[in-house]
Amino acid sequence: EAGVAQSPRYKIIEKRQSVAFWCNPISGHATLYWYQQILGQGPKLLIQFQNNGVVDDSQLPKDRFSAERLKGVDSTLKIQPAKLEDSAVYLCASSPWTGGNNSPLHFGNGTRLTVT
Amino acid sequence: KNEVEQSPQNLTAQEGEFITINCSYSVGISALHWLQQHPGGGIVSLFMLSSGKKKHGRLIATINIQEKHSSLHITASHPRDSAVYICAVDGNQFYFGTGTSLTVIP
Repeated sequence: EAGVAQSPRYKIIEKRQSVAFWCNPISGHATLYWYQQILGQGPKLLIQFQNNGVVDDSQLPKDRFSAERLKGVDSTLKIQPAKLEDSAVYLCASSPWTGGNNSPLHFGNGTRLTVT
Repeated sequence: KNEVEQSPQNLTAQEGEFITINCSYSVGISALHWLQQHPGGGIVSLFMLSSGKKKHGRLIATINIQEKHSSLHITASHPRDSAVYICAVDGNQFYFGTGTSLTVIP
């Protein structure tokens, strides 16, 4: 099966600019996650979708971050405006069902964002 | 307090050595995942286990549900095993450890 696809692989922007990341999960996976991973740390959940609905966005900085999964398939994550501390790898992951149910988890290759 | 604690944080080994990475967690889980992350950033799932032991090639993962502890072992380590190994637990959400950075020297 095709894996989780993410683009772009790398992005360099100046602070206060906007950026968008795209994710296409594994076909049929209902659950989609966006994680932020700062260098030397484990992934931190930003938002979890179940189909096209938001399950958890409690750690998403909503003043600057937004995400959508309009048709319950692919998803975009946007940062507007970016800050220096947003420099990180943004990982998309998908799973057939929600956590707590012995769920396999598949990750994309991530987008490495550098904000200068 | 982190829900998932890994040790050691960093590990350097000579090629051929037996390696153990430990993971302890504090929440109820349905499964535990061991993940491998190479410098490019992509994460690969190595194991998903909810009891006992699993083996894949030179990799062995064990879990003790009562003690809330898991170990990842690498036998006959090789430089291509150099990566960050992350423990993640599947509770009502996924919780991740901060990773163990492994370097295997030829």
